Amino acid sequence: AQSVSQHNHHVILSEAASLELGCNYSYGGTVNLFWYVQYPGQHLQLLLKYFSGDPLVKGIKGFEAEFIKSKFSFNLRKPSVQWSDTAEYFCAVRGSSNTGKLIFGQGTTLQVKP
Amino acid sequence: EAGVAQSPRYKIIEKRQSVAFWCNPISGHATLYWYQQILGQGPKLLIQFQNNGVVDDSQLPKDRFSAERLKGVDSTLKIQPAKLEDSAVYLCASSRTGQETQYFGPGTRLLVL
Repeated sequence: AQSVSQHNHHVILSEAASLELGCNYSYGGTVNLFWYVQYPGQHLQLLLKYFSGDPLVKGIKGFEAEFIKSKFSFNLRKPSVQWSDTAEYFCAVRGSSNTGKLIFGQGTTLQVKP
Repeated sequence: EAGVAQSPRYKIIEKRQSVAFWCNPISGHATLYWYQQILGQGPKLLIQFQNNGVVDDSQLPKDRFSAERLKGVDSTLKIQPAKLEDSAVYLCASSRTGQETQYFGPGTRLLVL
């Protein structure tokens, strides 16, 4: 069955610390990969996406993610977090040939202490 | 560009009552999605429309949930009768096509008592 697993449910960091959120997926075929973010009181927003090409993708607000096909992973990173990065982060996968359905992980809540 | 609009933002009902949610996608977006997000979980697709046709409703509990997208623009999602386990946030999203980025609305938070 298709699934997405996010390793950490709740992460607490101090400002300027480095961030890495794990994401692994199970899908038999070529995939598109996404990270969405939901800031407190706001709706889900796209952070970054991978369709093809360079496996290291850069998104908004200094975030990046690396697609490692052999490990079925798409981990999210940021070298130095800010208090404003406090949010819930969702990894999602979609079969590149399917109709559009996104399969989401359960989410990781990031709390950044000032 | 206006985003995806949803209403109402919050709804509290008793079990066995009915409820309806409304979604207006981004102008020009042919594909519309309804997701259910239960507390502590990621969103789960309920139904996907391409214009006014259903593309995927495999995870829609059809005995109680229904959705329509008349005229290929606005959409409504209905639950009748509601159960306690339907308490969740119902998210609407849209995209130009099924292969492009999905943009999400603010969601409707439903509490069934």
